[in-house]
Amino acid sequence: AQSVTQLGSHVSVSEGALVLLRCNYSSSVPPYLFWYVQYPNQGLQLLLKYTTGATLVKGINGFEAEFKKSETSFHLTKPSAHMSDAAEYFCAVTPERLATGRRALTFGSGTRLQVQP
Amino acid sequence: GAVVSQHPSWVICKSGTSVKIECRSLDFQATTMFWYRQFPKQSLMLMATSNEGSKATYEQGVEKDKFLINHASLTLSTLTVTSAHPEDSSFYICSASVASSYNEQFFGPGTRLTVL
Repeated sequence: AQSVTQLGSHVSVSEGALVLLRCNYSSSVPPYLFWYVQYPNQGLQLLLKYTTGATLVKGINGFEAEFKKSETSFHLTKPSAHMSDAAEYFCAVTPERLATGRRALTFGSGTRLQVQP
Repeated sequence: GAVVSQHPSWVICKSGTSVKIECRSLDFQATTMFWYRQFPKQSLMLMATSNEGSKATYEQGVEKDKFLINHASLTLSTLTVTSAHPEDSSFYICSASVASSYNEQFFGPGTRLTVL
């Protein structure tokens, strides 16, 4: 079984400031980790994912995240916030592919990012 | 590539009626599709996993007779909310899984259902 904890349901930053959205996971098997962004009344858009290999992954719109196994974390960062980054962000986990079938994603509760001018 | 569409994008219906929501993978074949429900200001909760040509697997607490899922082809899955009630009002999102090794899913834009 897996679970995802996103610390902070709301994060507010100033335009140009560092964005840090926290995500911790638990998984009994090696996980695949994802960050999604959701704008109002829209579906989810993939920002980035960690599967294997390099633990620092870069995504779209200048976001990146680092997989830290020892800390069971996958925090999302962006050096400089833009007004257009205001949205809801979800961290998600799924077990590494098993021999049979596909596995659904387990989502965190989400973090709403506000960007102040 | 990997585009998923949903239709309709929003629907308003009267209590007691049934509503069908379609989820299509436009440029790839999806052996597995997932249906999620999202209440306002909450996260996505998995309702069911749908594999082409077989019965859907429902999550605990989701009534399979109320939320009928059909996955008749590799590009189409439908969710029918039967005898809808106001508490069924929600944002329904589907996703489709690509046959890769990363369990990556591509999400549709969602369907907002309002039951009066």
